[in-house]
Amino acid sequence: DGGITQSPKYLFRKEGQNVTLSCEQNLNHDAMYWYRQDPGQGLRLIYYSQIVNDFQKGDIAEGYSVSREKKESFPLTVTSAQKNPTAFYLCASSIKGTDNQPQHFGDGTRLSIL
Amino acid sequence: DAKTTQPPSMDCAEGRAANLPCNHSTISGNEYVYWYRQIHSQGPQYIIHGLKNNETNEMASLIITEDRKSSTLILPHATLRDTAVYYCIVRVINNNDMRFGAGTRLTVKP
Repeated sequence: DGGITQSPKYLFRKEGQNVTLSCEQNLNHDAMYWYRQDPGQGLRLIYYSQIVNDFQKGDIAEGYSVSREKKESFPLTVTSAQKNPTAFYLCASSIKGTDNQPQHFGDGTRLSIL
Repeated sequence: DAKTTQPPSMDCAEGRAANLPCNHSTISGNEYVYWYRQIHSQGPQYIIHGLKNNETNEMASLIITEDRKSSTLILPHATLRDTAVYYCIVRVINNNDMRFGAGTRLTVKP
């Protein structure tokens, strides 16, 4: 089945540690996205990428980094500079970033601080 | 992007139609209306989207008023598994950001 796979489902980070969240899609979508969701809140865009080897900052990029070396993969690193990283992280993809087609989401990674 | 307004919560009896309203009075001509739902601890699930015509798929129907200032998502025969938070989003084509608000928490009751 085609879809978006995020791993791990739960992740724990120690203070001062970088962690990387995985996002893989086999939908052959060009565009991929990372969002953050806090309890009872909507989604906020962290980074997005419309093509391989290119990505753009969203509204809350500080303390995060991404790479897009392959079309299928868009990993997110939460760095130690992100002072409040505890949240639910969602990865999405769409056919292109420049049309009316919807974004499709993975099932998320829940990050907590030890 | 235009702002949307949804009721915070709604109940629906199992087997009945669930009608979820959304106001987007400042919508502009190049903005689409999207609906998603999110079940606890899962990613949002795409339901349907439209520009100005009514749309129907296997999950739901989307009714957009003629002036496009509001819309209604219809789940024709709600089941317990339809209990979720439903989000109405208005997005300009070419905009990469899906701006999810607080949504409507729909509870389907037996």
